[in-house]
Amino acid sequence: GENVEQHPSTLSVQEGDSAVIKCTYSDSASNYFPWYKQELGKRPQLIIDIRSNVGEKKDQRIAVTLNKTAKHFSLHITETQPEDSAVYFCAASPTDSWGKLQFGAGTQVVVTP
Amino acid sequence: NAGVMQNPRHLVRRRGQEARLRCSPMKGHSHVYWYRQLPEEGLKFMVYLQKENIIDESGMPKERFSAEFPKEGPSILRIQQVVRGDSAAYFCASSPSANEQFFGPGTRLTVL
Repeated sequence: GENVEQHPSTLSVQEGDSAVIKCTYSDSASNYFPWYKQELGKRPQLIIDIRSNVGEKKDQRIAVTLNKTAKHFSLHITETQPEDSAVYFCAASPTDSWGKLQFGAGTQVVVTP
Repeated sequence: NAGVMQNPRHLVRRRGQEARLRCSPMKGHSHVYWYRQLPEEGLKFMVYLQKENIIDESGMPKERFSAEFPKEGPSILRIQQVVRGDSAAYFCASSPSANEQFFGPGTRLTVL
């Protein structure tokens, strides 16, 4: 089955700097890669996703890149703000998995003013 | 369009009791997924259902746990004879198709 590893587990950045979170996956059949943001005690919120037929996707200060050959994908947050502080989860979904998501262990991002 | 609804938001049970968790998907969504999140851990897939069908229950413990998504009404995750290790946040997610999933607020189960 699919195995997703996520690094780093914690990330502290100064406000205004960039944050990068990296994930690797094991199943080459995976074709859908979402990123979720979860604030303390809240639901995971889908912030961006990418499918295997594209290499990069941007939405304002957030971007995701995908390298299918190396089987890794990354989340980039530019111009970080205190409200970006949260736990971020990557996930992967293989084509034969009926859409079920295999999540990484999460990255605690702390943006200090 | 209301988001995914879950109730109750908090549930306290004593060991040996039953827990019933409910999930109403977003309007127009026919795919429902249940995930479990232990404190300070990631989300673990449990079960995937469509109306009246269990599609994939590979992540659900074989004993004490069951799930359903009837033709009418919410999806229900049922845990019989709860134990302390069942204490966790249980999230359901719904999707219009097999991929993009939107999560509910979760049910936080505490077993005393």
